[in-house]
Amino acid sequence: DTAVSQTPKYLVTQMGNDKSIKCEQNLGHDTMYWYKQDSKKFLKIMFSYNNKELIINETVPNRFSPKSPDKAHLNLHINSLELGDSAVYFCASSQVLAGSHNEQFFGPGTRLTVL
Amino acid sequence: SQKIEQNSEALNIQEGKTATLTCNYTNYSPAYLQWYRQDPGRGPVFLLLIRENEKEKRKERLKVTFDTTLKQSLFHITASQPADSATYLCALDESSGNTGKLIFGQGTTLQVKP
Repeated sequence: DTAVSQTPKYLVTQMGNDKSIKCEQNLGHDTMYWYKQDSKKFLKIMFSYNNKELIINETVPNRFSPKSPDKAHLNLHINSLELGDSAVYFCASSQVLAGSHNEQFFGPGTRLTVL
Repeated sequence: SQKIEQNSEALNIQEGKTATLTCNYTNYSPAYLQWYRQDPGRGPVFLLLIRENEKEKRKERLKVTFDTTLKQSLFHITASQPADSATYLCALDESSGNTGKLIFGQGTTLQVKP
């Protein structure tokens, strides 16, 4: 059973289009994240939801909008795609206990290519 | 804000040797620091966590140290094998565990030659 799954794995699209990436975790965790990994391999957090509530919202263009229908799912919708959005997007989940560590489990990534 | 620096140059070592990777951070010492492994085309996988009051942590052939004076963590793989070849990322939690906001270094790629 896959712990954190993402669809699609590859996404090739034209500039200006709107696209969505879906993420699901079956670990029972209460917190989910979206990360962007650019061509230089920097992994940077974008958003985080805890029990469907947005708790981390980094400086990301408002063309990016996360949505969490329930605590097992976190989707990422991107409007008006730009060339600079090309990257690998990772979903992750963890059980956040205040003041404690939180090992994060990552999905396989979605490679987005904007042409 | 916190910044993490890892050696961006690839580390090439011979099988059987010990690989040592460095992670330096710039500001306050985090409550804990994590190390992840990332293989090409895959997501990062958690390896080890070390707390600020721990000097050293071991797991099988892996050892992590944490020096809050030097603001540095070292990650060692002893008796390295070709299967250890991957990119290793260090990360610290800016929220001290409250929100799980991890800041990652850019990773160091390790290549173990047979």
